[in-house]
Amino acid sequence: DSGVTQTPKHLITATGQRVTLRCSPRSGDLSVYWYQQSLDQGLQFLIQYYNGEERAKGNILERFSAQQFPDLHSELNLSSLELGDSALYFCASSPSGTDYGYTFGSGTRLTVV
Amino acid sequence: AQKITQTQPGMFVQEKEAVTLDCTYDTSDPSYGLFWYKQPSSGEMIFLIYQGSYDQQNATEGRYSLNFQKARKSANLVISASQLGDSAMYFCAMSEKTSYDKVIFGPGTSLSVIP
Repeated sequence: DSGVTQTPKHLITATGQRVTLRCSPRSGDLSVYWYQQSLDQGLQFLIQYYNGEERAKGNILERFSAQQFPDLHSELNLSSLELGDSALYFCASSPSGTDYGYTFGSGTRLTVV
Repeated sequence: AQKITQTQPGMFVQEKEAVTLDCTYDTSDPSYGLFWYKQPSSGEMIFLIYQGSYDQQNATEGRYSLNFQKARKSANLVISASQLGDSAMYFCAMSEKTSYDKVIFGPGTSLSVIP
């Protein structure tokens, strides 16, 4: 157990639907990062939050949004889902910077049918 | 522009032998960090080793060592005494201080350890 908890582990939903992925960071970690891993795109950075505030944005679609709550857990909202959104979504956390690497959660496998 | 290059899509190594996984990177930031992660077939991402751009010595963690050649912008991972459990995808990654430490990943190398 890495200490980073992601729920749910698996999600199957239909095109056009909306889903929410949840992440609880490791105790004491202030930064949360979201990544999308698909076969054709590899590991893509989506967004970073630090202590509740958005800190960096990557290749995140407008249909996707995220937030970090006062208790530091984070949610990634995916809407108007398309088949191409099927992927493994990872959350990672770190104390502040990344000098010693992220700690990743086990991921949420999203399948859009 | 591709910032992390891993030129070996797949590698094979005999059990108990050493193997080197190649990684080159591109950055103009003088302060950066380099990482290697392992992803077994189960899917989880496992942090292996870290090298800071100002570190004078190559990082080592057990059977893992990072061959850091700053002038060549190279950060190869060396796994000594390969084990069957080392079969996995290996990702080289980098963070830059000017990018608020977000980590970007290379395309990965699939390593298969042969008994």
